Amino acid sequence: DGGITQSPKYLFRKEGQNVTLSCEQNLNHDAMYWYRQDPGQGLRLIYYSQIVNDFQKGDIAEGYSVSREKKESFPLTVTSAQKNPTAFYLCASSHRQANYGYTFGSGTRLTVV
Amino acid sequence: DAKTTQPPSMDCAEGRAANLPCNHSTISGNEYVYWYRQIHSQGPQYIIHGLKNNETNEMASLIITEDRKSSTLILPHATLRDTAVYYCIVRSYSNSGYALNFGKGTSLLVTP
Repeated sequence: DGGITQSPKYLFRKEGQNVTLSCEQNLNHDAMYWYRQDPGQGLRLIYYSQIVNDFQKGDIAEGYSVSREKKESFPLTVTSAQKNPTAFYLCASSHRQANYGYTFGSGTRLTVV
Repeated sequence: DAKTTQPPSMDCAEGRAANLPCNHSTISGNEYVYWYRQIHSQGPQYIIHGLKNNETNEMASLIITEDRKSSTLILPHATLRDTAVYYCIVRSYSNSGYALNFGKGTSLLVTP
């Protein structure tokens, strides 16, 4: 079955450590996105990529980094520069055209202690 | 970007139709209206989208006003499993490319 997979589902890290969240899709989608969600809030865009080897900052990119070396993969690194990293992180993918919807992964809940 | 306005919460009795409104008065002619829902601690799920015409699929119906400044998502026979946060989104090309901008949505509670 085609889909988008995020791993791990839960992640605990000590303050000051970098951590990388995985996102893989086999839907042949060109575009991929990372969102952050805090309790009771909507989704905020961190980074997005419309094509391999290219990505752009979203609304809250500070303290995060990404790479897009393969069409299927769009890992997100939460760096020690991110002041409040504890959150629910969601990855999504889509075709690039405006009349296609997104497919979301099941999310990674990151807790920094 | 066209912004959307949704009521923060709504209730609906099980088996009745749930009508979720959305205002998008600044929508442009080539922008689509999308609806997603998110059940607690899961990724959002696509429901339906439209440009000008009303749309229907196995999950819901989308009614877009003629001036396109508002729309209504209709769940014809709500069940307890429809309890979720529903997001109305306008997909536009901005400095986020074609990224979807999610607001806080409407929290729908379906009661027995």
